[in-house]
Amino acid sequence: SQQGEEDPQALSIQEGENATMNCSYKTSINNLQWYRQNSGRGLVHLILIRSNEREKHSGRLRVTLDTSKKSSSLLITASRAADTASYFCATQYTGGGNKLTFGTGTQLKVEL
Amino acid sequence: NAGVMQNPRHLVRRRGQEARLRCSPMKGHSHVYWYRQLPEEGLKFMVYLQKENIIDESGMPKERFSAEFPKEGPSILRIQQVVRGDSAAYFCASSPPSDPHNEQFFGPGTRLTVL
Repeated sequence: SQQGEEDPQALSIQEGENATMNCSYKTSINNLQWYRQNSGRGLVHLILIRSNEREKHSGRLRVTLDTSKKSSSLLITASRAADTASYFCATQYTGGGNKLTFGTGTQLKVEL
Repeated sequence: NAGVMQNPRHLVRRRGQEARLRCSPMKGHSHVYWYRQLPEEGLKFMVYLQKENIIDESGMPKERFSAEFPKEGPSILRIQQVVRGDSAAYFCASSPPSDPHNEQFFGPGTRLTVL
C-alpha cells in the first residue's frame, strides 16, 4: 500500500498556538499535497510541494518535505478557531499516474 | 468560474437499487477523478477519466461499479444493486489538461446512504 499516515491522529490546541502535523509515505513521489476538510464538507487544497522542493510557505502555512525520510510536515502558525478541521496529506507517487493517495488524516481542534 | 459540481449532495437508496452520482468538472478541465471516503477514513482513489476514456480504474470494485465521462455532459459514477457497505461520501475532482501532476479541485461530494 502506498498510503500515507498522519501523526497525530488528533490534536487539540488553544487559539494562537502553532499546530504541527506530520505525514509519512512509503514510496517515491512526484509531489505531496495537503488538504483540509471541514466536518461533512468537501476538500480544500492548501499547498502542493514537489519532490525537488524542501520547504514551501503560504500565508500561515509552512510545509516541509524530506524525501530521504519519506515524510512531510504541515505547520499552521497562530492558529484560529476557524482552522478546526481534518487535515490530509496526499501523494502522487512515481509511476502511479495522476491519482492521489491519501493519508488517514489529523483532526485538529482549536479552542478559544 | 464555478467550481466542481456534484449532484445530488445526498442520496438515499435501498439495498438492491441503483445509485447514479454526477460530477461536472471545472470549466476547461478535462481530467476527472472519483474518490470514496468511508466514515472516519481518508479518501480512496477509484477511477480516473478523460473525455470518453477511462485512464485508470485500479481502485474500482470489480463488480457493480462503473464510470463514464462522455463527450458532452457530466461524469457519472454508477453503482448497481447497492449494498450497505456502499454507504460513503463520494468525491469528484478535476484538473486541467495542461499539467495533470498538479492540484486537483474537489467537489462538495455526494453522501450515499444505503438502507
